[in-house]
Amino acid sequence: DSGVTQTPKHLITATGQRVTLRCSPRSGDLSVYWYQQSLDQGLQFLIQYYNGEERAKGNILERFSAQQFPDLHSELNLSSLELGDSALYFCASSDGTGNPTNEKLFFGSGTQLSVL
Amino acid sequence: GQQVMQIPQYQHVQEGEDFTTYCNSSTTLSNIQWYKQRPGGHPVFLIQLVKSGEVKKQKRLTFQFGEAKKNSSLHITATQTTDVGTYFCAASGAGGTSYGKLTFGQGTILTVHP
Repeated sequence: DSGVTQTPKHLITATGQRVTLRCSPRSGDLSVYWYQQSLDQGLQFLIQYYNGEERAKGNILERFSAQQFPDLHSELNLSSLELGDSALYFCASSDGTGNPTNEKLFFGSGTQLSVL
Repeated sequence: GQQVMQIPQYQHVQEGEDFTTYCNSSTTLSNIQWYKQRPGGHPVFLIQLVKSGEVKKQKRLTFQFGEAKKNSSLHITATQTTDVGTYFCAASGAGGTSYGKLTFGQGTILTVHP
């Protein structure tokens, strides 16, 4: 158990819909990362938050947004869903202090999103 | 942006054979990490390399960071069926623009035949 909690584990929805994925980081970790994993794209970095503020942005679509709340949990919002958005979405956390020895990520179990 | 190339994409071995996956970058890296993802699981941190030419061992696993800090390798000696999974390298680039952001390689999927 990594200590990172993601809900829900599975999500089935239809094209055009909007969903919210939730992540609670490990106790004490300030950084939350979101990654998308699909069969043909590997692990794609979407976005990172540190202590409530956006720190880095990757290949995140405009239809997707995220935020980190004061209690450090994070939500990833996916809207106007398309078939191609079907993937495994991982949240990871780290203490985010910037010390290279502490940048290792602890991943949650992921949310499997299926868009039908 | 920074890219990390990982080869091979797939590797099938007989139990007992050795396995190596390689990770290469066109830019100098500040550090490199390795993760393992079991089938149906999530990536799990294995190790981090920071120093040029660094070599670290974990039982049958040997991790190396190149002298120029642009490449790395993971070698498994005498594979076992428990080694199956996808091995990812993940790199942080040198310089502030890549601060805190790890770029993952495409991963090497290892299957081990008993």
